[in-house]
Amino acid sequence: DGGITQSPKYLFRKEGQNVTLSCEQNLNHDAMYWYRQDPGQGLRLIYYSQIVNDFQKGDIAEGYSVSREKKESFPLTVTSAQKNPTAFYLCASSSRTREKLFFGSGTQLSVL
Amino acid sequence: QKEVEQNSGPLSVPEGAIASLNCTYSDRVSQSFFWYRQYSGKSPELIMSIYSNGDKEDGRFTAQLNKASQYVSLLIRDSQPSDSATYLCAGLQGGGGNKLTFGTGTQLKVEL
Repeated sequence: DGGITQSPKYLFRKEGQNVTLSCEQNLNHDAMYWYRQDPGQGLRLIYYSQIVNDFQKGDIAEGYSVSREKKESFPLTVTSAQKNPTAFYLCASSSRTREKLFFGSGTQLSVL
Repeated sequence: QKEVEQNSGPLSVPEGAIASLNCTYSDRVSQSFFWYRQYSGKSPELIMSIYSNGDKEDGRFTAQLNKASQYVSLLIRDSQPSDSATYLCAGLQGGGGNKLTFGTGTQLKVEL
C-alpha cells in the first residue's frame, strides 16, 4: 500500500541531545513537509522540500535541520538548540507543491 | 491578523443536526483551501478541498468559499458521534509560495 511512514511513534530526548525523526513515502510525491503541532496551536511549518537536494525553511525552522538526499525520504533532526521540542511532529507529502497534503501517522517527541 | 483563523470551540451539536464550522483568512492566503479532520492523537485526514467561489458538496459534507468576505466554511449534515473531532482549516500562501497555513482548529462534539 502507498503511504507515508513516520518512525518512531514515540521518542524521548535527553538534555543536549540531537534526535532524528524518520519520514519515508512511496507515493512518488515530489514535495515533502514537516509540521509541528502543539496543543491549541494548530500545525506550524518547520521545513519543506519541493525536489531532491533542495529544501526551504518554514515558519519555525530554528533548532531543526533536514536533508533530502532521496525523493522518498525527508528526515528531520531536532537539535539541542531547540529548547522546547516537546510536540507532535507530522510529516506530509504532495504530488505537486500546490496540491493537497497527505500526512504520516506522526511522532510524539518528549523531553526526559 | 493571523493568516487563517478559526474559533477553537468546542462546538456542540446534537446527533442528526447540521454542524457549521467557520474559517476566515487574510490577504496573504491564496484561493485554495482545505478542510482536514483530526481525531485525538492521530494525523489530519483531508475531507474537502475548494478552489473557487461557491459551494462544493461531497456526501454529508459541504464546503463553502466566499472570496469577497475571505470566509470558508464546512457544513456537516446529519452529524454523527463519529464526526466528533478537531477540524482544521488550511489555505495556501499566495505570492508564489508553496506553503499550507493551518488554523488552530475547531473541536466538534456531536452529542447523543
